[in-house]
Amino acid sequence: RKEVEQDPGPFNVPEGATVAFNCTYSNSASQSFFWYRQDCRKEPKLLMSVYSSGNEDGRFTAQLNRASQYISLLIRDSKLSDSATYLCVVNPRAVDKLIFGAGTRLAVHP
Amino acid sequence: GAVVSQHPSWVICKSGTSVKIECRSLDFQATTMFWYRQFPKQSLMLMATSNEGSKATYEQGVEKDKFLINHASLTLSTLTVTSAHPEDSSFYICSATTRVTGELFFGEGSRLTVL
Repeated sequence: RKEVEQDPGPFNVPEGATVAFNCTYSNSASQSFFWYRQDCRKEPKLLMSVYSSGNEDGRFTAQLNRASQYISLLIRDSKLSDSATYLCVVNPRAVDKLIFGAGTRLAVHP
Repeated sequence: GAVVSQHPSWVICKSGTSVKIECRSLDFQATTMFWYRQFPKQSLMLMATSNEGSKATYEQGVEKDKFLINHASLTLSTLTVTSAHPEDSSFYICSATTRVTGELFFGEGSRLTVL
């Protein structure tokens, strides 16, 4: 089983739609969780950290369910510029080592 | 602007040659640097972790004699792909962290094509 699993997509949605991605992780001792965004042929960029209480940043909401070992990302009112690959990232231990999911591709169309 | 810079962004080389990729932290001292490799439509795979002044720690399955990592200063780490072969063609990305904030910064990546 992969340490971090994501649905690869692609998710094709119209502008303005709400879309949700899920990610599961295998190590129950994982310490911290993130969503990164990666544009084609570019490096990943931190989108947001994920906290147990859930957190929101504008149109983006991230949630963590430790009992079920999954993380979610909700994007509301999708924009064309949201088209990218979204990477679920887990820090399995208390060191700066990140495990990346393969990513979920989002394509927002007019 | 970028706080971690990689060079070169693109490199094409012949099979059997060696290629060096540099990763620099521009305005902070990077106590730890990480090297990742990403094949098309796949996740970033951690290759190795390097701490300044010490030997790199390689992930399982990564040949340390093929992928030489040097982290001689707090602002520079290099990855040398020795005797490159077409299967080494990939996107190589470095990241750096500082113990001051713990935040992780990524370089822009280096795309290697071995002919």
